[in-house]
This record gives sequence, C-alpha cells and structure tokens, in this order.
Amino acid sequence: AQRVTQPEKLLSVFKGAPVELKCNYSYSGSPELFWYVQYSRQRLQLLLRHISRESIKGFTADLNKGETSFHLKKPFAQEEDSAMYYCALTGYGNKLVFGAGTILRVKS
Amino acid sequence: EPEVTQTPSHQVTQMGQEVILRCVPISNHLYFYWYRQILGQKVEFLVSFYNNEISEKSEIFDDQFSVERPDGSNFTLKIRSTKLEDSAMYFCASIWGLDQDTQYFGPGTRLTVL
Repeated sequence: AQRVTQPEKLLSVFKGAPVELKCNYSYSGSPELFWYVQYSRQRLQLLLRHISRESIKGFTADLNKGETSFHLKKPFAQEEDSAMYYCALTGYGNKLVFGAGTILRVKS
Repeated sequence: EPEVTQTPSHQVTQMGQEVILRCVPISNHLYFYWYRQILGQKVEFLVSFYNNEISEKSEIFDDQFSVERPDGSNFTLKIRSTKLEDSAMYFCASIWGLDQDTQYFGPGTRLTVL
C-alpha cells in the first residue's frame, strides 16, 4: 500500500532556529518523493522533489531508502516560511499520495 | 507564468443536486487530475485523465462522479447527486507528461453541501 506519514500536525519554532519536518513513506516500488507547500490563501505549489536534489528557499530533503524517510530541513527558519507543508509520493501513473500535512509556524 | 484556474471558488448546493466544477489546465498539458480535501483531512486523489479517458480512479470516485474534457481547454468534475460528505475542497492539477513530475495545482473550489 502507498502511504505517507507526517507525524506532526503543528511545528512551532522561533525565527533563526533549525527546522525539520518529518515524513515517512510506505511504497512497494521506487517512488518519487515531493514536498509541496501551501501558503495562506494560496494554491499548493511544489517546493522540491528528491530527483532534482535542489535546495529551494533554503530547504533541503534527502531520501533515505533504508529508513523510508524524506524529511524536510532548513538550518535557519524565517517568518515567511510559515505555511502548511505536505509530503507526497507518486508511483505509476503519477497520482500523488499526500501526507496529512504539517503546519509550520515561525515565531519572531 | 501559466496557471491552472478553477471556477467557481466556492459553490454551495443542496443535498441531491448536481454540481459541475470547472478547471482550465495549463494549455499544453496532457494529463489531468482531480483531488479533494475534506476539512481537517489529507488531500486525496480522485481521478486521472489522459487522451479523453480516465487513466485511474480511486475508490472515492464512484458512479456519482464523472469527468469530461468537453473542449480543448476545460476539464470538469461532475457530481450527479451531492451528499453532505461531498463537502470538501476540490483541486484540479495538470502535468505535461509523465516524465515531468511536477503537478501544477489550481486554487481549488470549496464545495459546501447543505
């Protein structure tokens, strides 16, 4: 079965603190992993995907196949990072399977 | 930058009524998707569509649901007889090809069934 687990509903950090949003997945093949972000009153947009190995807005995520994890990290949180973050995977057919999402609140 | 658009942004309907949610995917995209998100729950896949037919559908997508691409630009989701539990945010997404992994999402339509 395809499943994405984001254990934290809410993560609250101070500005400048490191951030780690956890994501674990379950998939029988080789999935593509993604992080999507939804800022207040905006649409879902792609933040990054594991295949491109990019760093977007200071965020990185490493696929750990042994631990089946794809945690999202940023060394120094900024207030504008406050948003809902969704981890997702795709398999055959490109349908996205989403986690429940984590609200990130960055306090000043 | 081209965007996926959806109309209306909010639809209120009575239980048992038919609703049609409209999406205009990015113009050169070939694969289209509908997802929904019930308040407080995760975003769930409903259906994918390619070459004028359904590629895959979830167990949520029962006989009450249908999709159509009536012309070269619109992609619609119809719910024939709405139920209270159909109340959700419905997102449309599109992608150019399966090798390009980024799905572009519309802003969503909030459906409220009374």
